[in-house]
Amino acid sequence: AQTVTQSQPEMSVQEAETVTLSCTYDTSESDYYLFWYKQPPSRQMILVIRQEAYKQQNATENRFSVNFQKAAKSFSLKISDSQLGDAAMYFCAYRRALNTGTASKLTFGTGTRLQVTL
Amino acid sequence: EAQVTQNPRYLITVTGKKLTVTCSQNMNHEYMSWYRQDPGLGLRQIYYSMNVEVTDKGDVPEGYKVSRKEKRNFPLILESPSPNQTSLYFCASSLRPATNEKLFFGSGTQLSVL
Repeated sequence: AQTVTQSQPEMSVQEAETVTLSCTYDTSESDYYLFWYKQPPSRQMILVIRQEAYKQQNATENRFSVNFQKAAKSFSLKISDSQLGDAAMYFCAYRRALNTGTASKLTFGTGTRLQVTL
Repeated sequence: EAQVTQNPRYLITVTGKKLTVTCSQNMNHEYMSWYRQDPGLGLRQIYYSMNVEVTDKGDVPEGYKVSRKEKRNFPLILESPSPNQTSLYFCASSLRPATNEKLFFGSGTQLSVL
């Protein structure tokens, strides 16, 4: 079974600085998708960024970028120029690319709570 | 507006009293799913549905039931709730399963079972 590990329960960053959240996963599949979701205090789940395993280029969305290391099964999220609104719980998630029943689920990590200080 | 509507947002009940959490999406999505979120455990899948009348168990299905009689609705039923089902619940949907599409999440239901 696939597992996703986020080893940092909490992180803190100063406003305007850069922070990296780590995520590792375990899978025997070669084709899959990886995601970072943000959950602010409102509890809403917001997709931050996604990466297809077959793509070598790291995904980027404005101030958010990933460092995808397929061989190491690592998928870290870098937030540049941190803002107060970035304070939230961040979840890393994995999804197989096969279109069969249980393959369709997102497997989540346990989350990293990010604090942004002035 | 494309959305997943989940109700209620908060629910307090007592052990053994049957309850239903409703979930409806207006995007004609095939795939729908229920997750529970617990501190230190992240989100875990309870049940999912690939299409109308097609449902299957996720990782933590014990004590829950679902149905998918219409494409838009996917209610979560707790026949006899117990305190260990106190949790934050999310309904989610996507057009198809097993893709890089994002999941659309409902706003969550905080359930407390006394």
